[in-house]
Amino acid sequence: GAVVSQHPSRVICKSGTSVKIECRSLDFQATTMFWYRQFPKQSLMLMATSNEGSKATYEQGVEKDKFLINHASLTLSTLTVTSAHPEDSSFYICSAIPDRGQPLNTEAFFGQGTRLTVV
Amino acid sequence: AQTVTQSQPEMSVQEAETVTLSCTYDTSESDYYLFWYKQPPSRQMILVIRQEAYKQQNATENRFSVNFQKAAKSFSLKISDSQLGDAAMYFCAYLNTGTASKLTFGTGTRLQVTL
Repeated sequence: GAVVSQHPSRVICKSGTSVKIECRSLDFQATTMFWYRQFPKQSLMLMATSNEGSKATYEQGVEKDKFLINHASLTLSTLTVTSAHPEDSSFYICSAIPDRGQPLNTEAFFGQGTRLTVV
Repeated sequence: AQTVTQSQPEMSVQEAETVTLSCTYDTSESDYYLFWYKQPPSRQMILVIRQEAYKQQNATENRFSVNFQKAAKSFSLKISDSQLGDAAMYFCAYLNTGTASKLTFGTGTRLQVTL
C-alpha cells in the first residue's frame, strides 16, 4: 500500500509559539490532502482540505489564521499552528488520496499522527 | 453536506463470536466510496474494508464483511470469529468522488472483545 509519513509524532511547545507539522506522501502524488483533529475518545474532525497550488478549504469554525496550511508540492502538505495555546493541544492526523490515474486513487492513507501539547 | 452516523458508541463481543457494527450516511450523490477504519490504541488508522457505491456485491475481507444497502444508505460491518486483536475503535467513513473530495467520518464505535 501507499505510505504517508507525518512528522513529528510528538511535540511540546510553549504557549505563544508556532508549531509546524509535515505530511508527506512517500510513494504517490496527492493533489489533495486532509488535516484532522482528534480529541480523546472522539472521532476525527476534518479541519481543512489541502490543495496543491491553491488555497486550502477550511471547515466551518476552523480559524484560517490559526491553522495555516501550505501544500507546496504534490507530496508535501504542512500544518502550522500559530500562537499556540493550551486549548490547541490535541492529536492531529493527516490523510492523502493518490491522484487520479495512480493506483489506489480511491483510498485514503493516513499519517501516524502528531500529539501536540502546549504548555 | 454528507453526514455519517454510528449509533453504537460501544459494543462488546465474546471471542470467536460475531458482531455487527452499524453505520448510516446521508448523501445526494450516486457515486461514492465507503470505508471502515480501525484505530487501535496506537491511533494509527487501519483500513478494514471498502465498498464502491456502484457495486451491488457486498465487500468481504477474510473475517470482515459489509452489508451495503444503498437505497437505505446503510453500511454495516460484520466481524466473524472475533479475536482479541479486533478490540479497537471502528470508524465508518464516506468519500465523495467529485472534484472536491472529502473524507467524512462517523463518531466511532468502541469494540471490546472478551474471553
